[in-house]
Amino acid sequence: KNQVEQSPQSLIILEGKNCTLQCNYTVSPFSNLRWYKQDTGRGPVSLTIMTFSENTKSNGRYTATLDADTKQSSLHITASQLSDSASYICVVSSFSGYSTLTFGKGTMLLVSP
Amino acid sequence: DAGVIQSPRHEVTEMGQEVTLRCKPISGHNSLFWYRQTMMRGLELLIYFNNNVPIDDSGMPEDRFSAKMPNASFSTLKIQPSEPRDSAVYFCASSLALGQVSSFGSGTRLTVV
Repeated sequence: KNQVEQSPQSLIILEGKNCTLQCNYTVSPFSNLRWYKQDTGRGPVSLTIMTFSENTKSNGRYTATLDADTKQSSLHITASQLSDSASYICVVSSFSGYSTLTFGKGTMLLVSP
Repeated sequence: DAGVIQSPRHEVTEMGQEVTLRCKPISGHNSLFWYRQTMMRGLELLIYFNNNVPIDDSGMPEDRFSAKMPNASFSTLKIQPSEPRDSAVYFCASSLALGQVSSFGSGTRLTVV
């Protein structure tokens, strides 16, 4: 069964600090892995998308890594800001005739002043 | 670009009533997705269309749920009859093509009492 597990479930950090969110998946066949940021009351917004051959991708202060061998991904946030407070969702795409998406339940991040 | 537009933003209805959620995808996007999000289950893909044709509706929970896409610029998700356990935020998303990153609407918060 395809699964995406995210950790931690929630996290509180001080403004300016760095943090790393984890995503482990058992999805086959693998197509790509996406990280989304979802602000409260809003729809998810794409941060990064990585295919099998990519092991790192950055979007400003957000850097995602992918280890396709261990089926792990991480999202690193540098110099956190209050506006980073949101839910971060890991989504793994599989393609075998048609596309299938498997979602993690997200990590709720709170950046405290 | 107005993004994906969903209506209504909020809907409160009584159990047993019919509910219709509406979505206008981004112009030129060929794929459209309906999702449901709850605290317990996170984001779940209900159904998606490619070029107005339903491709995978395996996520639709019951026959009470139906979705249509009569043309490239409009889709509906209907629940008939609605039940309290249908209370959730329903998101519509669209992408240029299957496998591409999706843009999400702001969601419809449905409360069935």
